[in-house]
Amino acid sequence: GQNIDQPTEMTATEGAIVQINCTYQTSGFNGLFWYQQHAGEAPTFLSYNVLDGLEEKGRFSSFLSRSKGYSYLLLKELQMKDSASYLCAVRDGGGATNKLIFGTGTLLAVQP
Amino acid sequence: DAGITQSPRHKVTETGTPVTLRCHQTENHRYMYWYRQDPGHGLRLIHYSYGVKDTDKGEVSDGYSVSRSKTEDFLLTLESATSSQTSVYFCAISESTGRSFEQYFGPGTRLTVT
Repeated sequence: GQNIDQPTEMTATEGAIVQINCTYQTSGFNGLFWYQQHAGEAPTFLSYNVLDGLEEKGRFSSFLSRSKGYSYLLLKELQMKDSASYLCAVRDGGGATNKLIFGTGTLLAVQP
Repeated sequence: DAGITQSPRHKVTETGTPVTLRCHQTENHRYMYWYRQDPGHGLRLIHYSYGVKDTDKGEVSDGYSVSRSKTEDFLLTLESATSSQTSVYFCAISESTGRSFEQYFGPGTRLTVT
């Protein structure tokens, strides 16, 4: 079966670091995505990992371990505007159809 | 930002009526997708298209049909709306170039079926 697990909610303090975990069990794997979604808005692309290791992009980093079926999104120097849902998604298999399987998302609240 | 628009942005309709949602892109991307987003379920794929007149089902396709007669437009039709189809519907596009083929999402349509 297809299963992607993320914590439902997290709370962190402005200026701190927070790590959002994602574990997956899918029939195929061809990359893992992180999206950010503010309330009432569309998801926006944050990061992509297909090989093991850490990808850094400014304040955001994403890590992947394919053998463990595990990823995390690391947010540094948290700002109030980082309060949002963070969606983990796995591309299931190769080919051009690029279907994504999404987790239910982690709602992050950044407090002053 | 990718040029994706959805119409209408909000709609209230009655059970049993047909409803069509439109997704329009100006990016000339080959792949288009329709998702629904519900609390506790995340984004779920309804249908997708890999070219003009080429479509396929996603994981929650029952009660929905799609059409793509030109590259820029992807229509989602609820043949006879039910209350269980109350949701937020997102369209997305992607292209098979570049490293990640990430999907870009439209602003969404909030549909209420009464």
